Amino acid sequence: NAGVTQTPKFQVLKTGQSMTLQCAQDMNHNSMYWYRQDPGMGLRLIYYSASEGTTDKGEVPNGYNVSRLNKREFSLRLESAAPSQTSVYFCASSDQTGTRFRFFGPGTRLTVL
Amino acid sequence: AQKITQTQPGMFVQEKEAVTLDCTYDTSDQSYGLFWYKQPSSGEMIFLIYQGSYDEQNATEGRYSLNFQKARKSANLVISASQLGDSAMYFCAMRASPRPNSGGSNYKLTFGKGTLLTVNP
Repeated sequence: NAGVTQTPKFQVLKTGQSMTLQCAQDMNHNSMYWYRQDPGMGLRLIYYSASEGTTDKGEVPNGYNVSRLNKREFSLRLESAAPSQTSVYFCASSDQTGTRFRFFGPGTRLTVL
Repeated sequence: AQKITQTQPGMFVQEKEAVTLDCTYDTSDQSYGLFWYKQPSSGEMIFLIYQGSYDEQNATEGRYSLNFQKARKSANLVISASQLGDSAMYFCAMRASPRPNSGGSNYKLTFGKGTLLTVNP
């Protein structure tokens, strides 16, 4: 039982390059989330998926796309990376009650030059 | 819209003493949940404690307790008997109520900006 896994752990991109961050959970949770963490800003929600086949924008969705591939996997794509997207990205999942939001992935540290 | 405020950018405490980290929140929802997370220098987010808005008793998890004052909209984290390993960033977060007809599972978290706790030997 690995919980929430994310790949890669670190990535350096040049402005304009694209990449996909992968996230998977093995807890049979319906809901999955992508957050970004910037210094002094706490965590901000980028996109979330309430269930397989649905996705919704969060607080800071511009410049990102997501795919809920199946119940286990939720990916985040940067089509044309910008320096403003330099951040630490966290994936999370929650059960149907939302009371046990325990499960965050280890994070991906992304630098865009 | 939900808002979480953590007014203490940094806190210092002596080892073995208790410390309170402040958190106030703003929401128009009747049903909500409050969380505290620890983020050590290694970067992972570690769940500490949860309080539901309808829970009558304050939540406790080992050395962590949540001082929930609903009328004041505050949810302070109390760490008893601080240890050196408690030095970390601490985040307060609030779970919003799901949107109607959403299936009840789109629980989003809104985070505060965090408090950096340093435990001195």
